Parts: sequence; C-alpha cells; structure tokens
Amino acid sequence: EDQVTQSPEALRLQEGESSSLNCSYTVSGLRGLFWYRQDPGKGPEFLFTLYSAGEEKEKERLKATLTKKESFLHITAPKPEDSATYLCAVQAGGTDKLIFGTGTRLQVFP
Amino acid sequence: GAVVSQHPSWVICKSGTSVKIECRSLDFQATTMFWYRQFPKQSLMLMATSNEGSKATYEQGVEKDKFLINHASLTLSTLTVTSAHPEDSSFYICSAQRLAGSYEQYFGPGTRLTVT
Repeated sequence: EDQVTQSPEALRLQEGESSSLNCSYTVSGLRGLFWYRQDPGKGPEFLFTLYSAGEEKEKERLKATLTKKESFLHITAPKPEDSATYLCAVQAGGTDKLIFGTGTRLQVFP
Repeated sequence: GAVVSQHPSWVICKSGTSVKIECRSLDFQATTMFWYRQFPKQSLMLMATSNEGSKATYEQGVEKDKFLINHASLTLSTLTVTSAHPEDSSFYICSAQRLAGSYEQYFGPGTRLTVT
C-alpha cells in the first residue's frame, strides 16, 4: 500500500535556527514527490516537485532533496513568516492521485 | 501563473439544503481537477477526481449521490453537496492539474462549509 509518513509532527525553531523536515514514503513506481506549504484556513501552496533520487531543488530558504525512500525539506535560517504546515505528497506511476502525509507544523519564533 | 480560485470562500447553510462550490483555473487549462476535504489539524483527504466531459471518479467511502461533481470545461469544476447535514461541515479544497507539462497540482484557497 502506498504510504507517506512525515516527521516530526510539530517543530518549534528560533529565528535563524536551521533544521530539516522528513518525508518517508513507500510507493509503487514513484512518478513525483511534492512539497506544499499550507497556512491556516488556506489551500496548500505548491513549493517543489522532485522526480528522481538525487534530485535537489531550492527556493529562498528552502531546499528539498530526494532519495529512494525519503525526502527532506531543509530550512536555512528560518524567519517567523516561514511558520506554516508543510505537506509532503507522492504520486504513483499510472495515476494522478496525490497521497498526502499528515504534515509538519512549523513555528518559528523571533 | 497557475492560479486556482474557489467560490464561495465560506458558506453557512441549513441542514437539508444543497450548496454548490465552484473551482476555476484562472490562467491555465486543467486536464484533471480534484476535490479534497480537510478536517481540523488533519491532512487532505481526496474525495474525487474529475476530467472534463467525463463522470467523476469517487474515492472509496465517498457518496457520489451526495457529492455531485460536474467538470463543465477545462477551467471549471463544481462540487454540489446535496441535502447537507452538520457532519458535512468541513473545509473543501479543489486542485487542478495542467493540461500539458508537469504533474503538479495547484490548489484553490478552499471553501469553509458550515451546516447548521
């Protein structure tokens, strides 16, 4: 069964304190792994797509990496405005459906 | 680019009435649109997948006669919650996948439905 597990559930960081969020997955034939950011009461905002092991993508303070079993979202020198829930999702080959993890709720304090 | 809108952003209705939610891709054409619901502090749960001009495919456990989906064009899909009950109160979010290119889904801002 295709499955996505995110850890930790919640993360509190001081402004400037770098850290990483983990997304472990099992899927039959990965088509893509996606990272989204969701603010309270809003829809998810697309961040990255990763397609194959070894791929990395960066956007401002965020960097996503992918291996055959997991993905990391590295946050460098976070700011309070980075506070949000970060969602990881996978898409198996032959389907358009996304399978979401339960998310990591990040809080960055000044 | 890749903007998806939803209307309304929130709605309150009485038990037994029906509510329609619209999802539009504003600057791209979408081969496929998806409907999710999300309960507080939980992740997104896929309800159904719709392709333009075809019947929607519902996930197991989702009542297709209760949640009617119409995908009228490459930029518009609607979800109608029929005979709504308080347990249907939730946050409904749509997403759209581009006609060509990558497999990314772009999400709308969501609709908060409260049934009294």
